[in-house]
This record gives sequence, structure tokens and C-alpha cells, in this order.
Amino acid sequence: ETGVTQSPTHLIKTRGQQVTLRCSSQSGHNTVSWYQQALGQGPQFIFQYYREEENGRGNFPPRFSGLQFPNYSSELNVNALELDDSALYLCASSPQGGNTIYFGEGSWLTVV
Amino acid sequence: AQSVSQHNHHVILSEAASLELGCNYSYGGTVNLFWYVQYPGQHLQLLLKYFSGDPLVKGIKGFEAEFIKSKFSFNLRKPSVQWSDTAEYFCAVFVWEGFQKLVFGTGTRLLVSP
Repeated sequence: ETGVTQSPTHLIKTRGQQVTLRCSSQSGHNTVSWYQQALGQGPQFIFQYYREEENGRGNFPPRFSGLQFPNYSSELNVNALELDDSALYLCASSPQGGNTIYFGEGSWLTVV
Repeated sequence: AQSVSQHNHHVILSEAASLELGCNYSYGGTVNLFWYVQYPGQHLQLLLKYFSGDPLVKGIKGFEAEFIKSKFSFNLRKPSVQWSDTAEYFCAVFVWEGFQKLVFGTGTRLLVSP
């Protein structure tokens, strides 16, 4: 149990729709990151939030966006869904400056 | 650019066999290395980590890994695997670019037959 919780666990969306995934970080962890894990691949870094601002981003288009709230929880939003967006989306939390990252169980997104 | 290579994509072993999974990394900064395991339907769990000091690190469930700086490697080992070790294993390097992220390998799927 990592203390990182995500919702929903599974969802199916249609191409072109929008999706919001949610994450509650481990208590005391003020840094939240999101990763995309496509089938057969390792997780890929999407972006990171610290103090409610995005402070780092991977190679993902602007239609991937996020929010972090004062209680450090976070959302990942994906607009204009594409079939290739089908993946497991992982939320991870860590203390700022810490180098151990804890992952939630993920949200499985299927785009049809 | 940072990268992690795991050369074994699929490994099949019998119970009690020894395990070694390869991991090579490319990163110019201070090296912090991790092995994560993902059991079917479960979240990524940290097996072990290397920050500094003794290059042989021991993790949970009898796993260990050795950091060899000259070879840019961080191979995972277990002397005797069990059926319950069936899972996917990911090697990762911690990268600091003003923010923190993990760069993962593509993973090794281990199947242990009873």
C-alpha cells in the first residue's frame, strides 16, 4: 500500500472525447507526477506538479494537461482522445527533493 | 539523453532456478537506480534502490542488484525464484532536471513455472 489512490480504475471513452483522471497523493507528499504506460512498455513521464504548478513535462502534446490542488491531490485531463491514448495512467507522489517515488494502482483508459 | 535498456523482454524459468535480469542506463548526472515490480493487476512496487555506497543492494523478497559503474549496469538477481515472482520487472533511473522524474526501461516479463 503506497498511500497513492487513483480513480477511476477503469474507463472506456470514444475517440475525440475528453477524460479526467484523479489522484490523491500520499500524506505529506507535495509533488505529484503522471506517467503513461502503454501495453508492453515501461511508464513514460507526462508531467509533474509542485505547489499547484506544472514544473516539468515530458514529450506529450498540450492536450494532456493537469491540475494540482492545495491538498496536493491532482487531476490529469486529456482532450481530443486518440486510440493511441489507450494505456494505464499512473499517478506518483514524492516529497519535494526526495528521490523515492510512490505509485498508485493506475487508471486503465481504453479509447474506442 | 537519459535512457534505460532492458535486454530481456521475456524470461521463463522453473521454480528454484536463479534469476538475473539485465539493466543498462545512460545518464550523465548522479545515478540513483531503481527496480520496480508489477504483479498482474497490481501497482508498481519498489523492489530496491541504489543511491550511493555499497554497490550491492538488497531489496524485498530476496532480490538484490549490483551497481557496476564502469559497465553502466544495475542487474537484478535472485538465487532461487518462486512461482509468486511471476511479474513484470522495470529498471529505472532517477533524473533531476529542475524537477524529478523516473526514466524506465521497457520491462522484463518473468514467468516462473511450478
